[in-house]
Parts: sequence; C-alpha cells; structure tokens
Amino acid sequence: QKEVEQDPGPLSVPEGAIVSLNCTYSNSAFQYFMWYRQYSRKGPELLMYTYSSGNKEDGRFTAQVDKSSKYISLFIRDSQPSDSATYLCAMSSQGAQKLVFGQGTRLTINP
Amino acid sequence: DVKVTQSSRYLVKRTGEKVFLECVQDMDHENMFWYRQDPGLGLRLIYFSYDVKMKEKGDIPEGYSVSREKKERFSLILESASTNQTSMYLCASSPGGVSLSGQYFGPGTRLTVT
Repeated sequence: QKEVEQDPGPLSVPEGAIVSLNCTYSNSAFQYFMWYRQYSRKGPELLMYTYSSGNKEDGRFTAQVDKSSKYISLFIRDSQPSDSATYLCAMSSQGAQKLVFGQGTRLTINP
Repeated sequence: DVKVTQSSRYLVKRTGEKVFLECVQDMDHENMFWYRQDPGLGLRLIYFSYDVKMKEKGDIPEGYSVSREKKERFSLILESASTNQTSMYLCASSPGGVSLSGQYFGPGTRLTVT
C-alpha cells in the first residue's frame, strides 16, 4: 500500500462547478500538507499548504485536513478553464525535509 | 520571486552517453531535490541534498549520481544513459529546517534516451 493515495482521474467538470480533490494517507506522523498544481509541460507550483488539521482558504481554493480520518481535500469554487491542470497532494512529517507525493489528479474544466 | 532553473527543457541522448542535468536556485535554500516523473507513477525522488557536498539517496537512486559543489547548484548525472531513463526530470529546492513553504520546482527537463 502506498503511503499516499490519490485518484489519478481524469476528472472532467463544467465551468463554474465546485471541484473536490482528495488524498488519503497512512502515516499518522504527517503534519504538513500541501497541494501543488502542474500545468502541462511545466513544473509543479505550490498552491496551498496547511499544518496539522483544519481548513485554509485562499480565494476560490480551500484546503481541508482531517487527521482523524487521514484524509485531505482541496475544493475549487467557481471553477475556470484555467484551473485545468494536474493537482498533486504532498505531505511530510515534523522535521522531515522530504515530501511524499500523491500520484496526481488530472482535472479538466470544460467551458 | 522564487526561481529554480534547469539547464535544458528538452534533451535527446544516445544509450551509453553520460548525461548532466543542471539545476540552479536563487533563493539561498539549503535543500535541493531531483525527481523523475512518469505517467502512472507520479513523482519519485532520486536524490536530495541538505547542504553543500552532502547528499542522500531517495527512492530510486540506481543509475544516477549527484553533485553539489555550491549551495545554489545541484547536478544530476546519468553515468551511462539507458532507454528506461527516458522521463521528465524535475529539480526542486526548499529552505532548511521545519518548512511551511514547501518545495519550489523548476520547469523540468524532458529527457529522451534513444
């Protein structure tokens, strides 16, 4: 079993929809949780990060961490075609320099 | 603005050639990383370095070596390229210590070995 599981999709939704992207993990030591966005033929860019449990909001994006269920989510409100990309979750434990990545979910927003 | 650059966007090499991939960051970060990214396999860590001249193996170090002579530069070396090393190679950097800022990635080098 992988430490971090992420459905690779692809996921296709109409413009304006609310998108929910999720990852589950098995290592209870993970404390830092991140979401990266990767456009085609580009490197991943950090979108959001959270420490421990709770929610974090940034514009149309909300990151949610549920440590009791070992489950993290990224919500995108009012999705736009420019949100079409691969979204990768990543996490690490306290003091660790390495990140453990999910496989990435390929998302397409249709105009 | 944070910046990680990689020496080439696209590279074509022949089997058996020695290949150098260069990565430079301008953020004075202690940590640097090399990943490869393949469809269905996600990002896999090859090597990382947490200080000049220091290196640690990642999950898939076989067939690769690295060099970090200066803080800002981290090189990935394929000693004898093989076709199964055809992939997208991504370099990343991050500050040392407990970091809430994550890793910053370069644009990637798409390497084809024929």
